[in-house]
Amino acid sequence: DQQVKQNSPSLSVQEGRISILNCDYTNSMFDYFLWYKKYPAEGPTFLISISSIKDKNEDGRFTVFLNKSAKHLSLHIVPSQPGDSAVYFCAASPLGSNYQLIWGAGTKLIIKP
Amino acid sequence: SAVISQKPSRDICQRGTSLTIQCQVDSQVTMMFWYRQQPGQSLTLIATANQGSEATYESGFVIDKFPISRPNLTFSTLTVSNMSPEDSSIYLCSVTGPEDGANEKLFFGSGTQLSVL
Repeated sequence: DQQVKQNSPSLSVQEGRISILNCDYTNSMFDYFLWYKKYPAEGPTFLISISSIKDKNEDGRFTVFLNKSAKHLSLHIVPSQPGDSAVYFCAASPLGSNYQLIWGAGTKLIIKP
Repeated sequence: SAVISQKPSRDICQRGTSLTIQCQVDSQVTMMFWYRQQPGQSLTLIATANQGSEATYESGFVIDKFPISRPNLTFSTLTVSNMSPEDSSIYLCSVTGPEDGANEKLFFGSGTQLSVL
């Protein structure tokens, strides 16, 4: 049973517009959420995170929103740039997990010029 | 952040053979992990590599199939043994950040793309 779901395998967005990537989870014990970005032939790199005690975290062009009642989080990228084209993974950490992340399957973001 | 060198970056192997993947970190790290990403799927944790002791394996992964070594705080190897086509995946080494309380922030090597014929 997938505890972290990214239901969109891919997303295409015009350069300069907003990209919204979505992630749903089922385990109410998750208390920390992270987004990673992955380019081809490279390992994932940390992008942004949010604790369950918050509903928003912002870092430059990237904002993560957490809706605990809906068990849903989203990553907003604005404005989208060509270098944002990558696969984005959502990951969740249960309370006291000691770095045991549960990962979504990823969403491939394509930024069109 | 830690700099992680993982090799080989890719390999094509014959069924029944074994491949050892190396992971070298530029600084001492407390925790090292090995992940697998099967085609089109999410990352799955194989095991936690423990320095000086046996690795801690996740459900569905066993030491005979994925033996792991970690002789010191900067180096680890993962062996994929007696390979079959189902083992074709990307294998990733991962470490925690150098600071304590990094809240699950992991750093990854560039991965090993394994294809088994």
